[in-house]
Amino acid sequence: AQSVTQLDSHVSVSEGTPVLLRCNYSSSYSPSLFWYVQHPNKGLQLLLKYTSAATLVKGINGFEAEFKKSETSFHLTKPSAHMSDAAEYFCVVSDRGGTKLVFGAGTILRVKS
Amino acid sequence: KAGVTQTPRYLIKTRGQQVTLSCSPISGHRSVSWYQQTPGQGLQFLFEYFSETQRNKGNFPGRFSGRQFSNSRSEMNVSTLELGDSALYLCASSGGTANGYTFGSGTRLTVV
Repeated sequence: AQSVTQLDSHVSVSEGTPVLLRCNYSSSYSPSLFWYVQHPNKGLQLLLKYTSAATLVKGINGFEAEFKKSETSFHLTKPSAHMSDAAEYFCVVSDRGGTKLVFGAGTILRVKS
Repeated sequence: KAGVTQTPRYLIKTRGQQVTLSCSPISGHRSVSWYQQTPGQGLQFLFEYFSETQRNKGNFPGRFSGRQFSNSRSEMNVSTLELGDSALYLCASSGGTANGYTFGSGTRLTVV
């Protein structure tokens, strides 16, 4: 079965410094991978998706993720954090049929001024 | 383009009651799925519907059920509510895996 592991439950950065949120996946087939963000008391917003095209995926709000098959990783990065980036981030893998999403436990990003 | 609409936004129910939640997908999306979010268990898959057929189901008891109508709108029902059913219930719609899934704002259910 497919699964994702988010390696940090909390990450704290200063405004203007880089962001790195780490995610490893496990899948017996070529996966579809996603990053979602959830602001407090809000639904989930899609940041970016990987579906076996380019390994470097660009998303909204300056976020990027790189699919590395050899490392089974899909880490999320942003060159410069903004206060508005403070939220919870979920790494997600889709099942082969595309009918089910499997979520990681989430990483809470704190941005200090 | 309207997003995924979930109603109601908040619900308070008593143990033993039943509840129905509604989800209207993005126009043209035929896949609708439901997820439960709790602090302890995180986000868990409930079920997915496509063209009125349930294609996948998560590991939840039979008290949790759903359906999809011909216009792709979906409802989920929880019978005999338990305190542990208190959660944020999220609906997502998709026009295909490659396009990703768009989530609604959720329904916050509190069981007292």
